[in-house]
Amino acid sequence: AQSVTQLDSHVSVSEGTPVLLRCNYSSSYSPSLFWYVQHPNKGLQLLLKYTSAATLVKGINGFEAEFKKSETSFHLTKPSAHMSDAAEYFCVVRGLNTGFQKLVFGTGTRLLVSP
Amino acid sequence: NAGVTQTPKFQVLKTGQSMTLQCAQDMNHEYMSWYRQDPGMGLRLIHYSVGAGITDQGEVPNGYNVSRSTTEDFPLRLLSAAPSQTSVYFCASSYSNTAYNSPLHFGNGTRLTVT
Repeated sequence: AQSVTQLDSHVSVSEGTPVLLRCNYSSSYSPSLFWYVQHPNKGLQLLLKYTSAATLVKGINGFEAEFKKSETSFHLTKPSAHMSDAAEYFCVVRGLNTGFQKLVFGTGTRLLVSP
Repeated sequence: NAGVTQTPKFQVLKTGQSMTLQCAQDMNHEYMSWYRQDPGMGLRLIHYSVGAGITDQGEVPNGYNVSRSTTEDFPLRLLSAAPSQTSVYFCASSYSNTAYNSPLHFGNGTRLTVT
């Protein structure tokens, strides 16, 4: 069985400061891990994915995430927040090489960016 | 390039009414799926299809029907709407159900209210 926990429902940062969105996962076998972003009234867009290659994954818009097996974590970071980063972010897990029907979504973290 | 198109964007139904949410993709994707998004619960899979003529149930299929007569279209039918089906519905597609480098592409959602 797989599960994912996003540790914060809301994160507030100032523009230009670092962003950290936390995600812990549980998987009985090698996982694939994803971060998706959802802007208001839009669908989800893939930010980045981990699929058993490099543990540090770079995504779009300056985001990156590090897979830490010992900590079962896949936290999302960005060195400097921009106003356009304000959105909801979802951490997602599935078994490596399994179908999308095995995707498990976290409950989301809303990122607020103030000027 | 339209991607995944959902219609309508908004809908209000009375309890017991039926309706069909439309989803079309122009990317020749073999995999299509329907999710519902509820506050604090992430996304939950309703039904999915791995190709024309093939559908299967997801996590929360009760009260919904689907069919896949063509590669492009994957409509979701509510047979007898209930207030518990008030939600935001997303259609998502991918060119492959299992390929690790195959992301999900989401539509912009349909916001449904059942009174």
